[in-house]
Amino acid sequence: GAGVSQSPSNKVTEKGKDVELRCDPISGHTALYWYRQSLGQGLEFLIYFQGNSAPDKSGLPSDRFSAERTGGSVSTLTIQRTQQEDSAVYLCASSLGGGPKKVETQYFGPGTRLLVL
Amino acid sequence: QKEVEQNSGPLSVPEGAIASLNCTYSDRGSQSFFWYRQYSGKSPELIMSIYSNGDKEDGRFTAQLNKASQYVSLLIRDSQPSDSATYLCAADSNYQLIWGAGTKLIIKP
Repeated sequence: GAGVSQSPSNKVTEKGKDVELRCDPISGHTALYWYRQSLGQGLEFLIYFQGNSAPDKSGLPSDRFSAERTGGSVSTLTIQRTQQEDSAVYLCASSLGGGPKKVETQYFGPGTRLLVL
Repeated sequence: QKEVEQNSGPLSVPEGAIASLNCTYSDRGSQSFFWYRQYSGKSPELIMSIYSNGDKEDGRFTAQLNKASQYVSLLIRDSQPSDSATYLCAADSNYQLIWGAGTKLIIKP
C-alpha cells in the first residue's frame, strides 16, 4: 500500500512569507507526528495528533507554528512569517495507533525541505 | 526532560566486521524501543523494534535490550558499505518517541 506522502517536497520562500506543509498518512493510521530536522541534527518533535486531536503542542517552536488535522487523515503544518532559522527538513510520520500505553512503529514520509531566504 | 543518548560518532568499521551501536535512555517507564537507519538526504526507516529484555535477531541485525541498565544496542554482522548511514535510537515516553541524535556509521571497504 501507499506510504506516508508529503508535499511539497521542496519549498523556497522569502523571509516573512507564510508556508503550508501537507502530510498524508498511511490509510488507517490514527496517530500522526510532525518533526523538524536541521542539517546534521537529530529529530526535533513538534506535535502529535491522535485522530484530529493534538494532546501536546508544546514542541511547536513558537506561536508562528500551527498544525491541524481533519477527518483523521491529512494534516497541515503552517508556519507564519517565516524566518531563516525555520529552514530545515520537516518530516511527518504516522503510526497505527497511539496513546500512553504503547507507541507503535512510526513510518516516515520523504519530508519537505524548506529554505527561507 | 526524558532523554535518549547516543555517541554521535563517526564509528568506522571494516567491511565484514561487526558494527556495535549503543544507546541509553532515561525514562524507566519506556516499553518500546526502535532502531532506525537514515541515509544522507533521506528520511528514517525502521530497522528493528524491541520490547522485551534480551536479544532479537533479524538477518544480519541483532537488537539487545537491558531494561535494568536502561541500555539498547544494535549489532550489525558482516557489515557492508551499504550499511553506512546514521542510526537513530528511539524510546517511547507516554504517547511519543524520544529520539537520540544518531550515530554515524562508516563501513570501510
